[in-house]
Amino acid sequence: DAGVIQSPRHEVTEMGQEVTLRCKPISGHDYLFWYRQTMMRGLELLIYFNNNVPIDDSGMPEDRFSAKMPNASFSTLKIQPSEPRDSAVYFCASSLGREQFFGPGTRLTVL
Amino acid sequence: AQTVTQSQPEMSVQEAETVTLSCTYDTSESNYYLFWYKQPPSRQMILVIRQEAYKQQNATENRFSVNFQKAAKSFSLKISDSQLGDTAMYFCAFTLLPTGTASKLTFGTGTRLQVTL
Repeated sequence: DAGVIQSPRHEVTEMGQEVTLRCKPISGHDYLFWYRQTMMRGLELLIYFNNNVPIDDSGMPEDRFSAKMPNASFSTLKIQPSEPRDSAVYFCASSLGREQFFGPGTRLTVL
Repeated sequence: AQTVTQSQPEMSVQEAETVTLSCTYDTSESNYYLFWYKQPPSRQMILVIRQEAYKQQNATENRFSVNFQKAAKSFSLKISDSQLGDTAMYFCAFTLLPTGTASKLTFGTGTRLQVTL
């Protein structure tokens, strides 16, 4: 298996622009997680899905953030409009309910 | 709510030596999993080792082993014969056994390990 796939690996954008991060989980996994990692706040869980259904989005910082999982093999995290304080590494992870397997992350820089 | 505490922000060890990273957690539940993840400079999060709370035997994975003390709520990671490639940030993490949709990981703040020559 190729593992969790994220794209893009790096994204540089200007404040106010829309950003879409993509994730393909490991085939057969029924949980998908989005995390944000910053120096100040460490790893934060933003939202997670079970069988494509959002279960807990309490970590989503504000309405500018939205996440979707239209099918078992694809999820997006969208930020609109983006702000400099959104600069971070965003990880996607998938699991079968036990250990989570992480993607390589997307490093987002908002200028 | 569950919490995970790593009290050692940074540690250093010489190559071929042994080092132990500490982790404590707090929960009122009895069934859960504990993990150690490694994040090297490449920033990839890599699962190092897993421990089921219902198992008394400490988990081992090659040079990595844990000391799981359930009553003390302690879960330390021992790295034997340290190698330069072990240089990374190490995160301790906790999750309840999934019941229904409960499967969130709670992470500690991490310990940065530097392996030196």
